[in-house]
Amino acid sequence: QLQLQESGPGLVKPSETLSLTCTVSGGSISSSKYYWDWIRQPPGKGPEWIGSIYYSGSTYQNLYFKSRVTISIDTSKNQFSLKVHSMTAADTAVYYCARHIAPLYSYYMDVWGKGTTVTVSS
Amino acid sequence: QSVLTQPPSVSAAPGQKVTISCSGSSSNIGQNFVSWYQQLPGTAPKLLIYEDNKRPSGIPDRFSGSKSGTSATLGITGLQTGDEADYYCGTWESSLSAGGVFGGGTKVTVL
Repeated sequence: QLQLQESGPGLVKPSETLSLTCTVSGGSISSSKYYWDWIRQPPGKGPEWIGSIYYSGSTYQNLYFKSRVTISIDTSKNQFSLKVHSMTAADTAVYYCARHIAPLYSYYMDVWGKGTTVTVSS
Repeated sequence: QSVLTQPPSVSAAPGQKVTISCSGSSSNIGQNFVSWYQQLPGTAPKLLIYEDNKRPSGIPDRFSGSKSGTSATLGITGLQTGDEADYYCGTWESSLSAGGVFGGGTKVTVL
């Protein structure tokens, strides 16, 4: 059974960079059938798509984040990662990684990680 | 403010039916599939409906999805106390700001 697990710091200072990793177990990240997504959910709000990455390394990102976000994939480790630069209090949220069924526009996530809470505070 | 519009809350007694609407536009719901998610307190969203009206394995047929034009609807029949949760719709936005979009969520309360 496929499982996703987020890892990274729970507390980040303003202006610093958040780095999260999602480890995929029980299946291969190198499949043409899936994209791998980062999604966040601010307290009391709905989910917000951050971006998607394909096993080939192709990425698709939410323009809201402009150039603040970097998504990468390491197929040898069965992991994909997220970096968010210049963090502010508005970036405080639960961050999820999820599996997104191809094609890109079908947009449904059938497996989610448990999520990791990230707080931005000095 | 979310791209997709959902009512903040709906409620009904056990055994009754509720419907949750999700309103979008021609560049998202109007041309792409809709999915629905259930989120119990403190947990990750769980896929309930994909490609407008399909249920993943293990999701009871009490949950149904439909779509017409730029709106979609989630129906829950035979309401149970365990259905009390937040529900979100999602789809792909195909405009210049292409990407995944979600609704703001609907809280279902079982009276």
